[in-house]
Amino acid sequence: KAGVTQTPRYLIKTRGQQVTLSCSPISGHRSVSWYQQTPGQGLQFLFEYFSETQRNKGNFPGRFSGRQFSNSRSEMNVSTLELGDSALYLCASSRIGGGATDTQYFGPGTRLTVL
Amino acid sequence: KQEVTQIPAALSVPEGENLVLNCSFTDSAIYNLQWFRQDPGKGLTSLLLIQSSQREQTSGRLNASLDKSSGRSTLYIAASQPGDSATYLCAVGSSNTGKLIFGQGTTLQVKP
Repeated sequence: KAGVTQTPRYLIKTRGQQVTLSCSPISGHRSVSWYQQTPGQGLQFLFEYFSETQRNKGNFPGRFSGRQFSNSRSEMNVSTLELGDSALYLCASSRIGGGATDTQYFGPGTRLTVL
Repeated sequence: KQEVTQIPAALSVPEGENLVLNCSFTDSAIYNLQWFRQDPGKGLTSLLLIQSSQREQTSGRLNASLDKSSGRSTLYIAASQPGDSATYLCAVGSSNTGKLIFGQGTTLQVKP
């Protein structure tokens, strides 16, 4: 079974631009969670989607948004990029439960650099 | 607010040594505790998941324990190998928020 895939793997943007990241979960998994990882803050939960609905969200500004499609693929969008948005963005999938209840399988991440 | 702490932040040991990584959490309202491994620049790999009602889980050379009442977990690695070098992250599934809360990790180096 193929693992979680994320595209693109690397991105360089400038301040003020917007960016869209994509995540394809493991086949049969319906829950997709997104995390931001930085050296200073560590791993922080962004949001979780299940059956095309946002089921939980972390403490991030409204510039961070996401969605999930009927095939469980998910995208996250960051608008009006700031230097502090530079991070590794990780996507994780699980069968039904979110990260707090089910084993999560992580993708390799998208490294976003904001200049 | 749930906080997860991992000590030490970094650890260097010679090959073959048995070692223990520590994780503590402030709120006992958890579904489970999970240990992950992260190699540089890569995603996370799930190692062990201990349900809140369990005391320990084992997988190969890894053994994780959970003491929910004291807010502590340990990951024991037996007969360490250079391939075990990575960052080990502890995370708790909060039953209050439904979120997975991570510690900052312990970076392990096993020297040949």
